[in-house]
Formats: sequence, C-alpha cells, structure tokens
Amino acid sequence: LMLTQPHSVSGSPGKTVTISCTGSGGNIVSNFVQWYQQRPGSVPTTVIHEDIKRPSGVPDRFSGSIDSSSNSASLTISGLTTEDEADYYCQSSDNHYQVFGGGTKLTVL
Amino acid sequence: QVRLVQSGPEVRKPGASVRVSCKTSGYTFTGYYVHWVRQAPGQGLEWMGWINPNSGATKYAVKFQGRVTVTRDTSMRTAYMELRRLTSDDTAVYYCTRDRTPSWFDPWGQGTLVTVSS
Repeated sequence: LMLTQPHSVSGSPGKTVTISCTGSGGNIVSNFVQWYQQRPGSVPTTVIHEDIKRPSGVPDRFSGSIDSSSNSASLTISGLTTEDEADYYCQSSDNHYQVFGGGTKLTVL
Repeated sequence: QVRLVQSGPEVRKPGASVRVSCKTSGYTFTGYYVHWVRQAPGQGLEWMGWINPNSGATKYAVKFQGRVTVTRDTSMRTAYMELRRLTSDDTAVYYCTRDRTPSWFDPWGQGTLVTVSS
C-alpha cells in the first residue's frame, strides 16, 4: 500500500481546505486511516484517527472521510486559522506494516 | 499521563551503529505496541518497525530489515532501537510512539536527533 498526498495546499483564513490521501497497491478502506499535524519543530499530533474520529481537544473544524470509490481518504479543515498552518500526514497499515503519506504543507494565506 | 521520553542526541561516523532508548510511563507497557518512525531533515515521516513489548515480537519495514533491531526491557518499561551501518542518509530525528490500536500512534516521544557525519 502506498499513500499519495498533494505536496501543498493553501487557503485563506475562515475558508475550507481538503487534503486528499490516495491509496495505491492496496485497499485504503481495509484499515483505518489516521491524520497527523506537525508544526515546524514539533512532534506530530493526531487530528483524526480511525478514519473519522477526533481526539479530545481537536476542534470540530477538523473532519475525516473515506471514499471507497476512489480508494482515498480526506482531511477537511474548515474555518481556517493561522494556527492550522502545518504539515499534515495520513497514515494507515497494510498487513501489519505501517505506511505514511508523503505529507502536505498547508499554508494559510 | 502517558509519556514516552527518549534518549538524547547522538553523533556517529559512517559505518557505526546507534541505539536510541524510549522510556515509557503512565500506562501498561506490555499492553501496547511501540513503533519507531524517523524524519530526515525537511522530509516526511518514515515508519521503521514495531515491537510487541509483551512477547518481544517485532516487524520491520523492508527497507530496514537486516539493519535495525528493536528490543525492550519490560522491567525498565523501555524500548530500544538500534540502527547499524549508518550512512549520512540516516541523519534524522527518530521518534518512538505508542500504538493505541488499531495503528493509531499516540503519543509520540520528543524525538532523538541522530547525526551521521565523518
């Protein structure tokens, strides 16, 4: 399984952006997808786990979804703020191996 | 409070080995897998392998098989990652992280910078 993300996305404060994570060489819906946020110089933290669940403390502006028809997962961030500017990584598993997407840099203009 | 605290930065010459430790607290150590993930400067996250602290079973990414060994000391609640035959391409921050299952990494250690330079 390989996970492909766009290299970068951008949006204006208050707007909505969606980051895609497309699976190849495997079925992305077979195992849960997680999304991690990593600000510069910081440790990754979870914004979405098990496809659609938000950990406590993560605002409901963050949402996850799965599209089996396109074998992809998506992270949607609404009401963008400058604090959302970070790198975002999708992650899943395949037969006990773990896979990360290449990461997407979100710029809030 | 669940915590994973890693050992400090390391500098090695090419061809050498490095061992990074990950001391855990705040949860049942044997109840959750521990994974190792690395991040080269300016690059993305790369999964290296996991250990089942209960059984000692391990699984490694194909890329690192034969060069990495993950072990644990249950009495110390600590996991270890050893990487051998280092090259400059191994310069990276190495993270340990707990698998909350299924395959949800949380939390992460603070990271350990390993620099490989002659």
